Amino acid sequence: QKEVEQDPGPLSVPEGAIVSLNCTYSNSAFQYFMWYRQYSRKGPELLMYTYSSGNKEDGRFTAQVDKSSKYISLFIRDSQPSDSATYLCARNSGGSNYKLTFGKGTLLTVNP
Amino acid sequence: DGGITQSPKYLFRKEGQNVTLSCEQNLNHDAMYWYRQDPGQGLRLIYYSQIVNDFQKGDIAEGYSVSREKKESFPLTVTSAQKNPTAFYLCASRHGGRNEQFFGPGTRLTVL
Repeated sequence: QKEVEQDPGPLSVPEGAIVSLNCTYSNSAFQYFMWYRQYSRKGPELLMYTYSSGNKEDGRFTAQVDKSSKYISLFIRDSQPSDSATYLCARNSGGSNYKLTFGKGTLLTVNP
Repeated sequence: DGGITQSPKYLFRKEGQNVTLSCEQNLNHDAMYWYRQDPGQGLRLIYYSQIVNDFQKGDIAEGYSVSREKKESFPLTVTSAQKNPTAFYLCASRHGGRNEQFFGPGTRLTVL
């Protein structure tokens, strides 16, 4: 079983919709989670990071962690065409090498 | 303007040739990482370095080599021993004690 599972999509929504992107993980060691956004042919851009259960909000983006279910989510409110990208979830097990394990990414298209 | 630069943006290589990809950061980050990204496979760790003159193999190090002679530079050499080198290569860096990694714009390597 892979450490981080992510539905690859693709996901297509109309402009203004609420988007839900999800990942599950298998290792229960100390967890630090990140969401990255990657536009086509560009490097990933860090969107949000969190290490605690519950919600963390930043503008239109909310990261949610449910450690009892080993489930992490990213919600995008009032989605815009400029949100069209691949979204990658990642976790760090907290070891001294700070290695990240990535999901495969979900391709999102927001249609005007 | 702080950030991570990778060069070249596109690189073409003939089979049997070694090529070196450049990664430079002016963020004063201690750790640097090299990932490979293939369609549908997410990011896979090649090598990483947490301090100058020290580096460790990641999950797919075979056919690659690195050096870390300066804090700001972490070049990756793709050797002729790498059987399937065509991919998008991403460099990242991290401040000591922090979990978040920040990525460069990437180099797309194509073997002809």
